[in-house]
Amino acid sequence: SAVISQKPSRDICQRGTSLTIQCQVDSQVTMMFWYRQQPGQSLTLIATANQGSEATYESGFVIDKFPISRPNLTFSTLTVSNMSPEDSSIYLCSGGQGAWETQYFGPGTRLLVL
Amino acid sequence: DAKTTQPNSMESNEEEPVHLPCNHSTISGTDYIHWYRQLPSQGPEYVIHGLTSNVNNRMASLAIAEDRKSSTLILHRATLRDAAVYYCILRDRSGGSNYKLTFGKGTLLTVNP
Repeated sequence: SAVISQKPSRDICQRGTSLTIQCQVDSQVTMMFWYRQQPGQSLTLIATANQGSEATYESGFVIDKFPISRPNLTFSTLTVSNMSPEDSSIYLCSGGQGAWETQYFGPGTRLLVL
Repeated sequence: DAKTTQPNSMESNEEEPVHLPCNHSTISGTDYIHWYRQLPSQGPEYVIHGLTSNVNNRMASLAIAEDRKSSTLILHRATLRDAAVYYCILRDRSGGSNYKLTFGKGTLLTVNP
């Protein structure tokens, strides 16, 4: 199993600023992902965080807005850039080993942009 | 990605069995059937997964139709702590789609005391 922690757990930010969210896994995982969950909605995949290379973004998400780093097999960051109120959401990190393996999720970072 | 269809919501009484259905008529031969649930104010957690045969674990059972076009998650005795959104997800075991989980809307399970 893997335990995933995220920092910060919540934040209130002003529009136009940026916030970096950290994701730490207590064991090495092959795959790491970032999701967004808007109020009352399901999870939407933002990108796959690739170790040592650029992240793979889903349709509708771009690197300039959501830069992602993954320097090793246990850590990743997601930055929400030039924030607007529409970015208010829960951002979740997850990690796992493969299609037949469990994917573990962090508790989420609750972001409110004013 | 192959899609799944689930009821928006279901209700159950405490200590009674719950059968959560999922339709996945376009499932491919390389897709695993995964179930995750999301308790209020938490990240999703793994429940169970299977390929062709029925599966049991300490949390639940998964019954898979012979043609694999539908499945049912069974909670044998619902408790108040089982109140959550349950997601049925198809995951490509061949590595296609890079092993990502694509969440649908899920089923909101309410458990009455």
